[in-house]
Amino acid sequence: GAVVSQHPSWVICKSGTSVKIECRSLDFQATTMFWYRQFPKQSLMLMATSNEGSKATYEQGVEKDKFLINHASLTLSTLTVTSAHPEDSSFYICSARAADYEQYFGPGTRLTVT
Amino acid sequence: GQNIDQPTEMTATEGAIVQINCTYQTSGFNGLFWYQQHAGEAPTFLSYNVLDGLEEKGRFSSFLSRSKGYSYLLLKELQMKDSASYLCAVVDSNYQLIWGAGTKLIIKP
Repeated sequence: GAVVSQHPSWVICKSGTSVKIECRSLDFQATTMFWYRQFPKQSLMLMATSNEGSKATYEQGVEKDKFLINHASLTLSTLTVTSAHPEDSSFYICSARAADYEQYFGPGTRLTVT
Repeated sequence: GQNIDQPTEMTATEGAIVQINCTYQTSGFNGLFWYQQHAGEAPTFLSYNVLDGLEEKGRFSSFLSRSKGYSYLLLKELQMKDSASYLCAVVDSNYQLIWGAGTKLIIKP
């Protein structure tokens, strides 16, 4: 089956630093990848839709200069949280859409900003 | 390895009750989520269980047995809008989400 990986699985960083999260589709090509954020006991919130080779489309309320998304290849998208603050602490989850239009979710990255 | 098992597809009749099962084998356990996902949309949160027992929320209930590695989502008074995929996901000891493949629920009139 289709597998999506994320790296790192968890990260702790200091306020003001930047963190990069990678999302990879391991055995299929994904022209579209999605980035979600989830706070405890809340729904996944879509942050942005990333299409390979073009600029990401951000959801309303998501700062594109703070959450930089790069989708440089059909198997890799990265999310960089710039100048992270404690309120950015969350669970970040990516998903990749395969040719059959199914979305396959990654295991998530738990970010803690101190 | 870690795995989550849930049926691929289920069919039920409008107004009836359906139970979607999820069994899991993971390294550690820090809770289990159920999500509903309509085609083309992001999953929406339905429930979170970390202790054994049944939690009821309107027409939806979720049950967990940690000793059996088992959970189910119970949907009552089914409506056509309940046609969707239902995802089971377990948080393991590293706080990673282990996702089930989802159960596609088809509601017939």
